[in-house]
Amino acid sequence: EIVLTQSPGTLSLSPGERATLSCRASQSVTSSYLAWYQQKPGQAPRLLIYGASNRATGIPDRFSGSGSGTDFTLTISRLEPEDFAVYYCQHYGSSPRVLPFGGGTKVEV
Amino acid sequence: EVQLVESGGGLVQPGGSMRVSCAASGFSFSSTYMSWVRQAPGKGLEWVSLIYSGGSTYYADSVRGRFTISRDNSKNTLSLEMNSLRADDTAVYYCAGGVSRYYFDYWGRGTLVTVSS
Repeated sequence: EIVLTQSPGTLSLSPGERATLSCRASQSVTSSYLAWYQQKPGQAPRLLIYGASNRATGIPDRFSGSGSGTDFTLTISRLEPEDFAVYYCQHYGSSPRVLPFGGGTKVEV
Repeated sequence: EVQLVESGGGLVQPGGSMRVSCAASGFSFSSTYMSWVRQAPGKGLEWVSLIYSGGSTYYADSVRGRFTISRDNSKNTLSLEMNSLRADDTAVYYCAGGVSRYYFDYWGRGTLVTVSS
């Protein structure tokens, strides 16, 4: 079963700076099966990126996803105040059929 | 507008049972892949179970044999029957789903299940 490891655990940045978040899979995965979510305190997660690089509906273009194989990246080009949150990557496994999440990266001021 | 509204959470004793439900509206529920995802207090997200539109079901190892996911497409409702509950099942349970089985477009606001004596 594939394990997703996110790094760093916490990223301390200021508004206007660039954020680079990493998600590493324990074995090569299909890019189509990799997604990213944002979660703010007290709220449900929100889908940001699917298929490794496709923005979900309504997601600003400052969010971008990239990567292949075992290494994937979520980039926020210029942090806005509302972007400070926890970010999770998630994978769909076809065998076994599981949908694990990474441990999360907190982006804080 | 897409809405997922969970209900049925609360306090239950270790070893007990509980059923949580999710009422869906604003999209074609019968053709949507649906899951339960949970989050223990202060922890990350954990996928629990997936059900296909046709009824096939899948479970995380941590709940297999104890939890049962089901759906009623005539009532646009998703359910999770939880048995032999343990303290480490304490979490907010989110109903989530989407048009793809690979990720979750839609999320409810969650319902808290607390397993404690």
